[in-house]
Amino acid sequence: KQEVTQIPAALSVPEGENLVLNCSFTDSAIYNLQWFRQDPGKGLTSLLLIQSSQREQTSGRLNASLDKSSGRSTLYIAASQPGDSATYLCAVRLTGFQKLVFGTGTRLLVSP
Amino acid sequence: EPEVTQTPSHQVTQMGQEVILRCVPISNHLYFYWYRQILGQKVEFLVSFYNNEISEKSEIFDDQFSVERPDGSNFTLKIRSTKLEDSAMYFCASSLRVATRGQETQYFGPGTRLLVL
Repeated sequence: KQEVTQIPAALSVPEGENLVLNCSFTDSAIYNLQWFRQDPGKGLTSLLLIQSSQREQTSGRLNASLDKSSGRSTLYIAASQPGDSATYLCAVRLTGFQKLVFGTGTRLLVSP
Repeated sequence: EPEVTQTPSHQVTQMGQEVILRCVPISNHLYFYWYRQILGQKVEFLVSFYNNEISEKSEIFDDQFSVERPDGSNFTLKIRSTKLEDSAMYFCASSLRVATRGQETQYFGPGTRLLVL
């Protein structure tokens, strides 16, 4: 059974800092991995998708990496802004399945 | 930009009542999903739907739950006899079948917050 863990559970940084969010998963037979952002009481916004054959993906100030052999993905946020404050979720899709298995999330607070 | 929409945004119901949650997936998408998130817990998969049938479901998706695509645009989740533990945020999602394997991003709606009293 795929387990997805995210650390830290919460992170508070001053504006302008670069930061890294971590996601680990137990089953390396993944099809793809998605990073999402969730604002309080809101839906999930897809940020990045990494295919199993890729090692990283970039979108603006966001860079996500994937290391299947070690069961890890990281989301790097450059030059953080107060508007980046949200909960960040990673979700793994295993080969042969359609469902996403979600982690518990990292709650990020960027203070001005 | 196209997005998944869901109605209602909030629903309060009495235990034992039937509820229907509605979703309009992105128009050219072929795969549809329901997930739920109990307050303070992880997002959990319920069911996926493709080509007018359930393609995958979780242990949570028991006989109390059903899904339907009644027309070309709507996708619904029905809970026949709600329980207190069904209180959660329910998310609909959709994805496009793409030529590049592994590129199927799932796009989520804003959710319906269901409260069972």
